Amino acid sequence: NAGVTQTPKFRVLKTGQSMTLLCAQDMNHEYMYWYRQDPGMGLRLIHYSVGEGTTAKGEVPDGYNVSRLKKQNFLLGLESAAPSQTSVYFCASSSGHDYSNQPQHFGDGTRLSIL
Amino acid sequence: RKEVEQDPGPFNVPEGATVAFNCTYSNSASQSFFWYRQDCRKEPKLLMSVYSSGNEDGRFTAQLNRASQYISLLIRDSKLSDSATYLCVVKGNFNKFYFGSGTKLNVKP
Repeated sequence: NAGVTQTPKFRVLKTGQSMTLLCAQDMNHEYMYWYRQDPGMGLRLIHYSVGEGTTAKGEVPDGYNVSRLKKQNFLLGLESAAPSQTSVYFCASSSGHDYSNQPQHFGDGTRLSIL
Repeated sequence: RKEVEQDPGPFNVPEGATVAFNCTYSNSASQSFFWYRQDCRKEPKLLMSVYSSGNEDGRFTAQLNRASQYISLLIRDSKLSDSATYLCVVKGNFNKFYFGSGTKLNVKP
């Protein structure tokens, strides 16, 4: 059971480089999310998607772009990486509506360092 | 004000102890609540959902107090393997999830 898969697991970039993080889920979930987690801090929502072809900004969207061209995939892009974007990135997905008790399922994270 | 607030701890307890974590949330319209567990450098994993009447899963008991906007998690007979950070999570509108900063638990032999 794959669940939520993130690639790559680790990456080191130089300031100004670009890259795309891929998240894939095989649970047919409508909703997908990208979070970042910094040492000693909680999860902060970057962007999310409520369905194929839709995206919305979260709490900390600056410096990131996303796309959801296929229901199972949610891509997070860094156009010009900055050291402040060094973090662990988690993707998550969920099903159901606002008042359902369906939780989020997480990928195992991408550790990104920007020098 | 944060959507979800937790005591960051750490809670240092001996094996076999009972420990309780609390969490408050700000949106009175929230309908779904969860406890997640996160091990160091790993992804959050669902521990249990929290139901209105309270629920139990083995050594773990979750309670919800809507009037006080308060969620709790009780761990009985703590094991070394329970050492982790426990995240309180509240589901809001548009299927957005709000995470507390987590409470760190250290269970000592």
